[in-house]
Amino acid sequence: AQSVTQPDIHITVSEGASLELRCNYSYGATPYLFWYVQSPGQGLQLLLKYFSGDTLVQGIKGFEAEFKRSQSSFNLRKPSVHWSDAAEYFCAVGSSGGYNKLIFGAGTRLAVHP
Amino acid sequence: GAGVSQSPSNKVTEKGKDVELRCDPISGHTALYWYRQSLGQGLEFLIYFQGNSAPDKSGLPSDRFSAERTGGSVSTLTIQRTQQEDSAVYLCASSLGAGGQTQYFGPGTRLLVL
Repeated sequence: AQSVTQPDIHITVSEGASLELRCNYSYGATPYLFWYVQSPGQGLQLLLKYFSGDTLVQGIKGFEAEFKRSQSSFNLRKPSVHWSDAAEYFCAVGSSGGYNKLIFGAGTRLAVHP
Repeated sequence: GAGVSQSPSNKVTEKGKDVELRCDPISGHTALYWYRQSLGQGLEFLIYFQGNSAPDKSGLPSDRFSAERTGGSVSTLTIQRTQQEDSAVYLCASSLGAGGQTQYFGPGTRLLVL
């Protein structure tokens, strides 16, 4: 069965520091992988997605993620965090055929210190 | 253009009452999904529509939950005889097509069952 693990429930970084949020997935075939961000009281906004091709994908707001098949990982990175990045981040896997039922990780809540 | 909209944004109801939650997808999006976000269970898939048909209802937690979609557009999620464990944020998402398409999420309906 498909599953997604985000090992870090909470992460705190200082503004300007680099960030890496971890995501590991379990899926039998090549998955579709997504990172979404949710600000307080808001819906989910897509940061980036991986379907195929280049394993390093660029997203909005300066985020990037790298698909590593050998490690079943899709970690999210940002070189310099801004205070406005404080939010909850969700990694998700979708089926690669048919339709795209998303299976989400538990989320990582990011706090940014000034 | 308009994004996915959901109504009401908040709903407080008494245990045992029925509630209806509405989702207006992005115009032209044929695929529509409902998810539930709760403290104990995280983000869970409920149901998927392609047009007016629901080929995957596997996430509906009980027969008290039902959903329909009319005109290939608006969808309604109905919860009968609400229970306290139904308290959650109900999120709707739509996508242009099915496989591999990005899902765009609405702001959600926050349901509280007293």
